[in-house]
Amino acid sequence: NAGVMQNPRHLVRRRGQEARLRCSPMKGHSHVYWYRQLPEEGLKFMVYLQKENIIDESGMPKERFSAEFPKEGPSILRIQQVVRGDSAAYFCASSPTGTAYEQYFGPGTRLTVT
Amino acid sequence: AQTVTQSQPEMSVQEAETVTLSCTYDTSESDYYLFWYKQPPSRQMILVIRQEAYKQQNATENRFSVNFQKAAKSFSLKISDSQLGDAAMYFCAHRGYGGSQGNLIFGKGTKLSVKP
Repeated sequence: NAGVMQNPRHLVRRRGQEARLRCSPMKGHSHVYWYRQLPEEGLKFMVYLQKENIIDESGMPKERFSAEFPKEGPSILRIQQVVRGDSAAYFCASSPTGTAYEQYFGPGTRLTVT
Repeated sequence: AQTVTQSQPEMSVQEAETVTLSCTYDTSESDYYLFWYKQPPSRQMILVIRQEAYKQQNATENRFSVNFQKAAKSFSLKISDSQLGDAAMYFCAHRGYGGSQGNLIFGKGTKLSVKP
């Protein structure tokens, strides 16, 4: 059973470009969480999605950031018009249900904005 | 709002010795989960140990054990017989029990060094 997959692992964007980060949850998992880790910091929650639904986006910046988890395909975290401050590691985690205690993390995508 | 505090930015331990990492948290809930995650230089988040708040017995996983003090809202991690491979960032995390409270709240982490 493959783990949580994220791609790309590294992404470089110039200021003003768009970044698209993908997350494929573990097989059988329908709940996805996105976290951001700034340098020297812990992970900060961004958004929690279920298939075709956003459950909690309280940690998502109001502008430029959006997330989706379609019926088919991976979950996508989209950052429009990236700025230097968006440079971070973005982690995706999945769980089989919303109440399952364990979340399985992907390897992360390191976004660098130049 | 829930918060998680790790007061030790860095710790060091001699190989084969024991080290304890501290964590305190704040929550108004009575049911919740607590976790310790390890993040080695590869940056992969690895679950080390978990504790359900309703369980009085402290969780153990091989060389890793916790001291869970619910009234004091304290959740420390003890690593026995430290190994070089234990060197990493360690994050304490809290998670609510309800379905809409799925997100983990992390502390800022403790960087553990292991000296040979």
